[in-house]
Amino acid sequence: DTGVSQNPRHKITKRGQNVTFRCDPISEHNRLYWYRQTLGQGPEFLTYFQNEAQLEKSRLLSDRFSAERPKGSFSTLEIQRTEQGDSAMYLCASSLETGQGGRNEQFFGPGTRLTVL
Amino acid sequence: AQSVTQLDSHVSVSEGTPVLLRCNYSSSYSPSLFWYVQHPNKGLQLLLKYTSAATLVKGINGFEAEFKKSETSFHLTKPSAHMSDAAEYFCVVSDRNSGNTPLVFGKGTRLSVIA
Repeated sequence: DTGVSQNPRHKITKRGQNVTFRCDPISEHNRLYWYRQTLGQGPEFLTYFQNEAQLEKSRLLSDRFSAERPKGSFSTLEIQRTEQGDSAMYLCASSLETGQGGRNEQFFGPGTRLTVL
Repeated sequence: AQSVTQLDSHVSVSEGTPVLLRCNYSSSYSPSLFWYVQHPNKGLQLLLKYTSAATLVKGINGFEAEFKKSETSFHLTKPSAHMSDAAEYFCVVSDRNSGNTPLVFGKGTRLSVIA
């Protein structure tokens, strides 16, 4: 399968614990995005990378959140000291940007569902 | 700032009848507009996109949408609903000229198809 993959698919944790999610984009895609989707809402942008550079972060991304894409391929999203309000679906998407404008056709992974007890 | 408003949180149609999911957008720039579909326990899938070419855009599975700048609308239609169309649909906007803005999603419209 050559789509975007995310692991784990589900994570249940206790409040205060740290969690880390992984996203593997489509191999030739240079951009990688993280979104968060809560129940009954559309996905909300968190951050994105162009290759290994993190170019934009949403104000939703508090200091407890950190994302990396060290080699410009897979990415990790870590949440420290989780809170119940962090419970959501975390979605990863990737795209191939060729510098010809915001075509932004993003391909989404299946998501990681986080439940904080 | 960009935003989209999906005018209906839930639409219910009978199988074989037309589908209309309404979306209005707000953008300071030349927008790209998309419709994504999300089936339960599956990833978001792109249905169609508008990026400045023809204003009537055809997508997968018989869906189409028309970009109307004067009405700031991008409604999604399908002539005849199938049971498999039951899902959550998201209208999405991004800034076409910037090249780097993330997608801004609406809150979604849940489509139910009744046999």
